[in-house]
Amino acid sequence: EAQVTQNPRYLITVTGKKLTVTCSQNMNHEYMSWYRQDPGLGLRQIYYSMNVEVTDKGDVPEGYKVSRKEKRNFPLILESPSPNQTSLYFCASQFKGQKYEQYFGPGTRLTVT
Amino acid sequence: AQKITQTQPGMFVQEKEAVTLDCTYDTSDQSYGLFWYKQPSSGEMIFLIYQGSYDEQNATEGRYSLNFQKARKSANLVISASQLGDSAMYFCAMRDELLNSGGSNYKLTFGKGTLLTVNP
Repeated sequence: EAQVTQNPRYLITVTGKKLTVTCSQNMNHEYMSWYRQDPGLGLRQIYYSMNVEVTDKGDVPEGYKVSRKEKRNFPLILESPSPNQTSLYFCASQFKGQKYEQYFGPGTRLTVT
Repeated sequence: AQKITQTQPGMFVQEKEAVTLDCTYDTSDQSYGLFWYKQPSSGEMIFLIYQGSYDEQNATEGRYSLNFQKARKSANLVISASQLGDSAMYFCAMRDELLNSGGSNYKLTFGKGTLLTVNP
């Protein structure tokens, strides 16, 4: 089954404790991206990647890191989480080119206390 | 810069009736794509329908159709024969379709969503 998976789905952590949210897709998509969703603000892009070892900042990259060592995986790293990073996080992927939809993962609900 | 406006924070519809969810957009791009996603209470984002700015016909996918009026910059979603399972948040989104190799314009720009409630 074609899908984007994220782990964990739910996470409660404390300020400053490093964490990683994994994202994996099995569709051989070139493009991968992370969004965060906050009430009243909609979805905003954090980082994206067009290829292995090629990543770039989106609209709200502060406090986040990513890596793309393999085509299928695109983990999101919070080195020192803060309460303002409490949010619902989505990983998305698509083929390179026009008219392709972006497939979204199931979301990771993160709470930082 | 792209902007999506969804003016209806909430909508109610009776089961089996049709409903239209409004979406207007603003962009200076010549070639762009418009998307609708559904987000049920479980949280996942489900792709519903796509319309390209140069597509001559309005897109349809089963009970979903997109009423695309380019001159008015609107891309309304029409759901026919509403079902209880259609109750969810609905997001309109857009993307530049002159996609560059670097990926910077693959980003989807989302509206703030409309919460649809289908009543039995």
